[in-house]
Amino acid sequence: DIQMTQSPSSLSASVGDRVTITCRASQSISNYLNWYQQKPGKAPKVLIYAASSLQSGVPSRFSGSGSGTDFTLTISSLQPEDFATYYCQQSYNAPRTFGQGTKVDLK
Amino acid sequence: QVQVVQSGAEVKKPGASVKVSCKTSGYTFTTYGISWVRQAPGQGLEWVGWISAYYGSTNYAQKFQGRVTLTRDTSTSTAYMELRSLRSDDTAIYYCARESEEMGTVFFSYWGQGTLVTVST
Repeated sequence: DIQMTQSPSSLSASVGDRVTITCRASQSISNYLNWYQQKPGKAPKVLIYAASSLQSGVPSRFSGSGSGTDFTLTISSLQPEDFATYYCQQSYNAPRTFGQGTKVDLK
Repeated sequence: QVQVVQSGAEVKKPGASVKVSCKTSGYTFTTYGISWVRQAPGQGLEWVGWISAYYGSTNYAQKFQGRVTLTRDTSTSTAYMELRSLRSDDTAIYYCARESEEMGTVFFSYWGQGTLVTVST
């Protein structure tokens, strides 16, 4: 199975901050990498697919980059509604493994 | 618009089975696969398995092989997950998610609201 490792596991930030979350795959997955946002009590929501493509309706302050084994999710200017947990997920093969999550909370 | 609606919460005893339904609408059911993902209390997301809505073929995470069965009913646009021999560590929210494919990659674009399965004596 492909292991996905996110860092950090949690971070504290302020509104307006630039936030970067990284995700590393245990083997090359090309650009088969997706990012999800989950708020408490809610189902996850896709933000980015294919490493860097913004899902329809997602604000442009979210961006993704990377290929191979190393990937990044960036929030250019953190907004109050962005405090949530973020997960990366590989779709290179089955099982479609997720990272352990990164919780973004208020500093 | 696409809707994905799951069945309600379940409480089961250890050793029992549970079957969760996932009813979809707003698109042609057989066009997209459906994955099941679970989340234990306070934990991350864990992929359980996938079913092709068109063919009915399945792919399960090794961890669940032999205990889980995914099925679908194309006449009602509904997918099902049955998990057997339940243990306390199966207590989790179980989500179904409709897949989409763009630029050659598959992602989970529409999620159900989740079904809490509690396994307790």
